[in-house]
Amino acid sequence: GAVVSQHPSRVICKSGTSVKIECRSLDFQATTMFWYRQFPKQSLMLMATSNEGSKATYEQGVEKDKFLINHASLTLSTLTVTSAHPEDSSFYICSARVPAGYEQYFGPGTRLTVT
Amino acid sequence: ILNVEQSPQSLHVQEGDSTNFTCSFPSSNFYALHWYRWETAKSPEALFVMTLNGDEKKKGRISATLNTKEGYSYLYIKGSQPEDSATYLCAFIDFGNEKLTFGTGTRLTIIP
Repeated sequence: GAVVSQHPSRVICKSGTSVKIECRSLDFQATTMFWYRQFPKQSLMLMATSNEGSKATYEQGVEKDKFLINHASLTLSTLTVTSAHPEDSSFYICSARVPAGYEQYFGPGTRLTVT
Repeated sequence: ILNVEQSPQSLHVQEGDSTNFTCSFPSSNFYALHWYRWETAKSPEALFVMTLNGDEKKKGRISATLNTKEGYSYLYIKGSQPEDSATYLCAFIDFGNEKLTFGTGTRLTIIP
């Protein structure tokens, strides 16, 4: 099956710093990738949809200047949490959609802790 | 905002027993329903994509049914094994939209 990797799996950073999370589709090309966030005991919430070569589409309430998304190639999308604050501490997970389909394949997620 | 609910939130089942849980979703504008199995520290694994009312899909001991008119799907596990312990997520897609709206999941623990 399609494999998606995500790095790092866990990161701790200080308040005010920026953190970059990478999402890669390893054995297929993904024109569309998605970024989700999960707070404890809540469902995965879509943050943004990332299309290769174009600007990401952000969901209502997600600050695009804070969560920078770049999808520079068909196998890589990055999420940068800028000027992180403790309230940004969460579980971030990406998915990649196979071309011509609605199936999404997920990475293993990144646990971000901002101190 | 689409409302996708799963019940129960958590479930403990004796090894060998069968079990099932529910996903409910909006019955209007339905396009597809996805089921995922998510083991700790791993990626969510796609189980089924269901699109037609009355669909029944099976993968080994796991099967799922779909009722789009009343807005629910059941996931069944027959003869539970310890490796079935995971969180099972459903996700809804409405027509004309590429986004998945997830439920909060059912956390299944199989007791040896």
